[in-house]
Amino acid sequence: EAGVTQFPSHSVIEKGQTVTLRCDPISGHDNLYWYRRVMGKEIKFLLHFVKESKQDESGMPNNRFLAERTGGTYSTLKVQPAELEDSGVYFCASSQFRDRFYSGNTIYFGEGSWLTVV
Amino acid sequence: AQTVTQSQPEMSVQEAETVTLSCTYDTSESDYYLFWYKQPPSRQMILVIRQEAYKQQNATENRFSVNFQKAAKSFSLKISDSQLGDAAMYFCAYRSSNAGGTSYGKLTFGQGTILTVHP
Repeated sequence: EAGVTQFPSHSVIEKGQTVTLRCDPISGHDNLYWYRRVMGKEIKFLLHFVKESKQDESGMPNNRFLAERTGGTYSTLKVQPAELEDSGVYFCASSQFRDRFYSGNTIYFGEGSWLTVV
Repeated sequence: AQTVTQSQPEMSVQEAETVTLSCTYDTSESDYYLFWYKQPPSRQMILVIRQEAYKQQNATENRFSVNFQKAAKSFSLKISDSQLGDAAMYFCAYRSSNAGGTSYGKLTFGQGTILTVHP
């Protein structure tokens, strides 16, 4: 069974440009999450989709970040325009959905997309 | 808000020896989950072990075990018989049970501990 896959694995862009990160969750996983780790800091939650709906987007830093999950399958995270402080590793994760009263399901992570803004 | 602290940025261990990674957390909740994740270089982050806060018994997965001290809000990971393949960044994470809430999917991570295993 394929795991969570992310693309691209590495990206170097100039300040002001746009980058789109893609995540394919494990097949059948309705929960999809985005996290990021900026240099030297802890991994921080960005947002959580249940199918195509945003369940929790409390971690999105500002309106330069736009996450979508069309059709409840893969997700994209767009950063526009990118700033230097956006550099870091962006992790996607997924888990099965049982019901909204159960939070014990295992969350599976991808390898991350390394973003460098110069 | 919950916080997770890993006070050891780096640790090292000799192959076949035992090492303990520390993690403390702060929460006002009584029911929650705790996790240790491992991320080898350029590889996926994988779940090593999980602990439900309502369970008094410490979780064990083969060579990995935890020492869960709920009153002290401590959750350390012990790796026995360390192997070269254990070398990785280890993250401690907290997840609220928050039944029915909007943030039930959110993990709160510590800063990570880099574990080096010497042959």
